[in-house]
Amino acid sequence: SAVISQKPSRDICQRGTSLTIQCQVDSQVTMMFWYRQQPGQSLTLIATANQGSEATYESGFVIDKFPISRPNLTFSTLTVSNMSPEDSSIYLCSPTRQGIFFGQGTRLTVV
Amino acid sequence: ILNVEQSPQSLHVQEGDSTNFTCSFPSSNFYALHWYRWETAKSPEALFVMTLNGDEKKKGRISATLNTKEGYSYLYIKGSQPEDSATYLCALHTGTASKLTFGTGTRLQVTL
Repeated sequence: SAVISQKPSRDICQRGTSLTIQCQVDSQVTMMFWYRQQPGQSLTLIATANQGSEATYESGFVIDKFPISRPNLTFSTLTVSNMSPEDSSIYLCSPTRQGIFFGQGTRLTVV
Repeated sequence: ILNVEQSPQSLHVQEGDSTNFTCSFPSSNFYALHWYRWETAKSPEALFVMTLNGDEKKKGRISATLNTKEGYSYLYIKGSQPEDSATYLCALHTGTASKLTFGTGTRLQVTL
C-alpha cells in the first residue's frame, strides 16, 4: 500500500477565494485521480493527472475552476478557484499504482 | 453515464445484529467491483475487489458476493459492532485504465 499525505484536512473559506489541496505520496505513482463528494452525492471524479501532461477533466469540470499540477510522480495539487458554497465538499486524491488508494480527504466548507 | 446504486441509503442496527446492503450496476463492460469502508476523517479503506461472477469474499465478519450477469453485489456484516459504523461504498471499474464510478454509499450506524 502507499502512504498518502493530503493537506489540509479541512478548511472554511470565504466565497470568491481559492484553496489549493496537496497530495504527497511516498512512492512514484503513474496516475493521480482527484474526486469530490458533495453532501448526499457519490464520490465523483474531477480529473485524472499524469506527470508531464495536462490533466484530463470529466464532464462538468473545467481547468479554470479546478487547475491541477503534477510536477513529479509523487506529488499533485488541486486548486478550487473562485469558490462558492456549492463547492463545499470532501475532496480526495487517489494515487494509483498496482492498486487504488486514497488520501484522508479535505473537507471544504465555503461560506 | 454509468449508474451505480446502493441501498439502503442509511441503516441503523443494534450491536450483534447482522445486516446487508446492495450495490446495483450495469452488467455490460464489467471489469471489477470494489467495496470500500469510509469512516469520517479517514481514507476510504479497501475491503474487497471482486471480478468473477459468483465470487464470494470474506474478511472477518464482513463478506461480499457478486453477480455480474444481473448486475448486483451484496455486502454482509455478521454480528455488527459499533466500530463497524461507517459509510460503505461500492465502485464499478470498467477497465484497467478506467476510473471508478461510485455509488452514493450506505451509512451504517451500530449502537449498543
